[in-house]
Amino acid sequence: RKEVEQDPGPFNVPEGATVAFNCTYSNSASQSFFWYRQDCRKEPKLLMSVYSSGNEDGRFTAQLNRASQYISLLIRDSKLSDSATYLCVAFYNQGGKLIFGQGTELSVKP
Amino acid sequence: GAVVSQHPSRVICKSGTSVKIECRSLDFQATTMFWYRQFPKQSLMLMATSNEGSKATYEQGVEKDKFLINHASLTLSTLTVTSAHPEDSSFYICSARDLEGFTEAFFGQGTRLTVV
Repeated sequence: RKEVEQDPGPFNVPEGATVAFNCTYSNSASQSFFWYRQDCRKEPKLLMSVYSSGNEDGRFTAQLNRASQYISLLIRDSKLSDSATYLCVAFYNQGGKLIFGQGTELSVKP
Repeated sequence: GAVVSQHPSRVICKSGTSVKIECRSLDFQATTMFWYRQFPKQSLMLMATSNEGSKATYEQGVEKDKFLINHASLTLSTLTVTSAHPEDSSFYICSARDLEGFTEAFFGQGTRLTVV
């Protein structure tokens, strides 16, 4: 079983739609979580950190449920420019490793 | 924000030759850098953790004699793919965190290696 698992993609949605990505992690030692965005053939870039209390940044909302070992990302009013692969990432303080999920591809259509 | 520079961005080499990839932290010091490999349509797989002044820690299944890592200074780590074969063709990407331990990792631009 992968340490970090995400919804299989791709997600094809129209502009303006709301889309939700889910992610689960298996190692309860994971201490921090992030969502990264990766455009085709580019390096990943940090989208947002994920906190137990939930956090929002504009159209993006991230949530962490430690009891269920579950992370989510909600994108509201999706834009064409949101098209990318979204990576769920777990961070371990010990060793400082980032473990990536397989990514979920999002394609926003006009 | 912090910048990590990776070089080269693209390389094509003949089977059996070795390729060196450099990863530099430009405006911060990194005692630890990470090397990942990404095959098409797959996620980033951690290959090894590069520690300044000591041996790298390799993930299970990664051959340390094939993927040589050197982290000679606080701003530079290198990955050498030795005796490259076509199956080593992939996107290699490094990341680094600064000494302060801020958990955000900064990524290099990646190196697309094609072995022919």
